[in-house]
Amino acid sequence: NAGVTQTPKFQVLKTGQSMTLQCAQDMNHNSMYWYRQDPGMGLRLIYYSASEGTTDKGEVPNGYNVSRLNKREFSLRLESAAPSQTSVYFCASSEARGWSTGELFFGEGSRLTVL
Amino acid sequence: QQQVKQSPQSLIVQKGGIPIINCAYENTAFDYFPWYQQFPGKGPALLIAIRPDVSEKKEGRFTISFNKSAKQFSLHIMDSQPGDSATYFCAASHDQTGANNLFFGTGTRLTVIP
Repeated sequence: NAGVTQTPKFQVLKTGQSMTLQCAQDMNHNSMYWYRQDPGMGLRLIYYSASEGTTDKGEVPNGYNVSRLNKREFSLRLESAAPSQTSVYFCASSEARGWSTGELFFGEGSRLTVL
Repeated sequence: QQQVKQSPQSLIVQKGGIPIINCAYENTAFDYFPWYQQFPGKGPALLIAIRPDVSEKKEGRFTISFNKSAKQFSLHIMDSQPGDSATYFCAASHDQTGANNLFFGTGTRLTVIP
């Protein structure tokens, strides 16, 4: 079982460059999420998609865009990378439907460094 | 503003010890409190979760204690093992808005010395 797969695992960018982080899940989950993890800050929600065709901002959306390509795939795009976006990014999925909180299943993370 | 405050930031115990990680929250609407475990180089994974209708939940060597009046909850690891060395995150959410509003603590790095 692959679960949640993220690519790439590592990336180094220069300030101003753009890139897209890809995420796919094979658990037929409705909801998908992008988090960033920074030392001393825990996990902070960037964007989420409650279901195919919908996306919403989380706690720290500035500088990011997302696309829910289909039920399986949810991508995160940095249009003009900044050093403050150096972080480890995690994609997650869950069966959460509206009011019911579900278990989050995380990918292994994408470590991004912006120089 | 941190919705869930977690302490300590790091913890070192001897094998067999009982590490305790504490979390506190302010939003009384929170009604789901999971703990996630993260090993180096991996994503977090759900370890155990509790709802405020009970004061304690045990799963194997892991126990959550919940104090609704104090708005605090904690994770206890009985007979800790070196394999428990990981980062632990508490979290909280308001079920009526789903996992979209799952707020994480800042994490506790646990090291269990053989």
